Amino acid sequence: SQTIHQWPATLVQPVGSPLSLECTVEGTSNPNLYWYRQAAGRGLQLLFYSVGIGQISSEVPQNLSASRPQDRQFILSSKKLLLSDSGFYLCAWSVEGGGHEQFFGPGTRLTVL
Amino acid sequence: AQSVTQLGSHVSVSEGALVLLRCNYSSSVPPYLFWYVQYPNQGLQLLLKYTSAATLVKGINGFEAEFKKSETSFHLTKPSAHMSDAAEYFCAVSDGGSQGNLIFGKGTKLSVKP
Repeated sequence: SQTIHQWPATLVQPVGSPLSLECTVEGTSNPNLYWYRQAAGRGLQLLFYSVGIGQISSEVPQNLSASRPQDRQFILSSKKLLLSDSGFYLCAWSVEGGGHEQFFGPGTRLTVL
Repeated sequence: AQSVTQLGSHVSVSEGALVLLRCNYSSSVPPYLFWYVQYPNQGLQLLLKYTSAATLVKGINGFEAEFKKSETSFHLTKPSAHMSDAAEYFCAVSDGGSQGNLIFGKGTKLSVKP
């Protein structure tokens, strides 16, 4: 069966520090991968998606970036965090193609102070 | 373009009462529709999905949803609420692209009173 992991589970970082969040999927090949952010009371915001290794599409311009160095690994990064980057970050995967459900990881709670 | 509207950001019901969470969608292509549940500080869990088979879709935890094309609705129901149903619920529609992107509603927080 397929599983999705995210780490760390929680993170407290000072403004201006770098960020690296990791997501890995097991039990499937060539998945579509997604990064979302949930800010308090603002629903789900799609940040990035990827349909293959090295293929990243950005939905929202910001100081975050994403990379997919391996088929089942998706990384969210920032060089300098802002206060507004605080939130709950969710990684998800789906089978390739459209019209399929997405499966979500447990999330990372990021607090920028 | 596809969009999703969830009516009511907060819904409160008594334990044992009917749960009705409303979702209306807009889609230029035959829609794939989904309901997810999120408990505090957890990821989203798929409750059920509509993929153009039966219009009444049964999901986990006793939830079901009915696809009504004429009303562009996909409301979520459960006959009898349980305390453990207290959570946030999200309706989503596929954007019709091959990247598999979903368009999510803003969510409805369900409270269950004893």
